[in-house]
This record gives sequence, structure tokens and C-alpha cells, in this order.
Amino acid sequence: QKEVEQNSGPLSVPEGAIASLNCTYSDRGSQSFFWYRQYSGKSPELIMFIYSNGDKEDGRFTAQLNKASQYVSLLIRDSQPSDSATYLCAVNGRNTPLVFGKGTRLSVIA
Amino acid sequence: EPEVTQTPSHQVTQMGQEVILRCVPISNHLYFYWYRQILGQKVEFLVSFYNNEISEKSEIFDDRFSVERPDGSNFTLKIRSTKLEDSAMYFCASSRDDYGYTFGSGTRLTVV
Repeated sequence: QKEVEQNSGPLSVPEGAIASLNCTYSDRGSQSFFWYRQYSGKSPELIMFIYSNGDKEDGRFTAQLNKASQYVSLLIRDSQPSDSATYLCAVNGRNTPLVFGKGTRLSVIA
Repeated sequence: EPEVTQTPSHQVTQMGQEVILRCVPISNHLYFYWYRQILGQKVEFLVSFYNNEISEKSEIFDDRFSVERPDGSNFTLKIRSTKLEDSAMYFCASSRDDYGYTFGSGTRLTVV
């Protein structure tokens, strides 16, 4: 059974701070790692993906992957109230469907 | 920006009835998926579809569920003999290369 684990939160950070979201996965064969943002009652929206060990930056977002530790993280710099949402970590292998974690609820306090 | 379109946005049905949820994936995408999310729970995989056939399905996708791509653009999920526990948000997704799925806005199914 492939599992993706996330702390459900809520994670509260002040506006302008760095939010750090973490995810672990059970399947060592996983190849692709995604972060989705989901606002309440809405569909998941892809914000970042990473395939290789290390860091990947896109604007205020940085994804970090450590395959040896089976660990993925997402950093959000200069957090804004509009970043308040649930962040879903999702993982898949070659030709296998995405498996989602339960998500971490982030609250950015103005 | 291309998007995945789902209809209806909300469907209410009586227990035991059949429902069809409709999706129009992004036109150049080759992989299609249905996921569901029960309120307050995680997004769960139901089925994947590639090259006009099911490529993988989960335990949730029992023999009451079926998928079809009837006309090369639409992708439908049919649920027969609906149960109260089928109440959830159903998301269609598509991808070009089996990575980075784009999700539709979802259909909220309520079984009463």
C-alpha cells in the first residue's frame, strides 16, 4: 500500500514569514513528486513538481526532494494571506497514478 | 489556458439510482483519471484510462462504476445503484504524459 503522509496542521504563520510544509512517502520506487494547492470546496491546483534530488525554485515556492529519506518539502517565502489553503503532496511512479496525502492546512495571519 | 471541464457542478440523486458524471479533458492529453474526495478526507484515486481502456483501478472502483470515452472528447463516470457513501466530490483529471495532472473543477455528488 503506497502511503503519503503529511501533518494535517493547521500550520499558522504570520504574513511575510516562510511556511515550511513536509511530506513523506512509503514507496521507494516513486519517481515524481507534486505539490497541489486546494482552496476549500475547490479542485487541486498544481503549483510545483520535482523529479530529482535537491531543490527546485519557482518564484516564492521552493520544492525540496530527498529520495534517500523519502521526504519532500515545500517552502513558501513571503507568505501572503492568499496562500491560506490546504497543500497536498502527491507522488507517483512510472505508469502509476498519483497518490495524495491528506494535506496540510496553512493559515497565513495578516 | 486549457482546462478540464466537468458537468454538472452538483448532482443530487436518490439512493439506488444511476448517475453519469461528465468530463471534457484537455484536447491533446492522452491520460484520463477519476478521483474522489469525501468531505474532510484525502483525494482518492478511482481509475485511470489510456488508449481507450482502463489502465488501473482502485478497490473503490467496484462493479457499480464504469468509465467511457464515447466520442473522442468526453470522458464519463457512471455509478449504478448509488449508495449514501458515494457522496463525495468527484474530480476528473487529464495529463499529456502521465505526469502533472490537470484537475477539473469537480462534481459534488450527494446521494440522499
